[in-house]
Amino acid sequence: DIQMTQSPSSLSASVGDRVTITCRASQTISTYLNWYQQKPGKAPELLIYAASNLQSGVPSRFSGSGSGADFTLTISSLQPEDFATYYCQQRYSTPLTFGGGTKVEIK
Amino acid sequence: EVQLLESGGGLAQPGWSLRLSCAASGFTFDDSGMHWVRQAPGKGLEWVSGISWNSGNIEYADSVKGRFTISRDNAKNSLFLQMNSLRADDTALYYCVKENDYTESFDFWGQGTLVSVSS
Repeated sequence: DIQMTQSPSSLSASVGDRVTITCRASQTISTYLNWYQQKPGKAPELLIYAASNLQSGVPSRFSGSGSGADFTLTISSLQPEDFATYYCQQRYSTPLTFGGGTKVEIK
Repeated sequence: EVQLLESGGGLAQPGWSLRLSCAASGFTFDDSGMHWVRQAPGKGLEWVSGISWNSGNIEYADSVKGRFTISRDNAKNSLFLQMNSLRADDTALYYCVKENDYTESFDFWGQGTLVSVSS
């Protein structure tokens, strides 16, 4: 099974900050990497697919990069509505696996 | 508008069975792979099972293999998860999830149905 490791597990940031979350796969997965945002009490929502493609309707302050085993989600200027938990997920092989999540909190 | 409405969750004792259902609308159901993803209270996301558009490809997480069975009825735009031999660690919110087969991502999620397993 492919293990997905996110870091940090949580972070505190202020509105306007640039935020970077990393995700590392236990083996190379090309660009078969997706990112999701989950707000408390809500279902996850797709942000980025195939490592760097912005899902329709997602603000352009979100971006993704990486290939192989190392990936990054960046929020260029954190907004109040961005405080949430973020998950990466590999789609390279089954069982499909998620990272443990990164909780972005208000500083 | 895509809608995924789960039902069938509830309280069960260890060893019992439950059958989850997901009613889909707003998209061409028989063109889409579908999945179940669960989230234990206060924990992260865990993929449970997936099924291709024509039921020709079915996969399970090791944690549920041999106990859970995924199926679909394309004529009724419905997805199912038969859960047998339930255990306490199956306690979770179960999400019905649509896969975008082009981008290979989970592009729509239901709101989930809660399964609690306790004696």
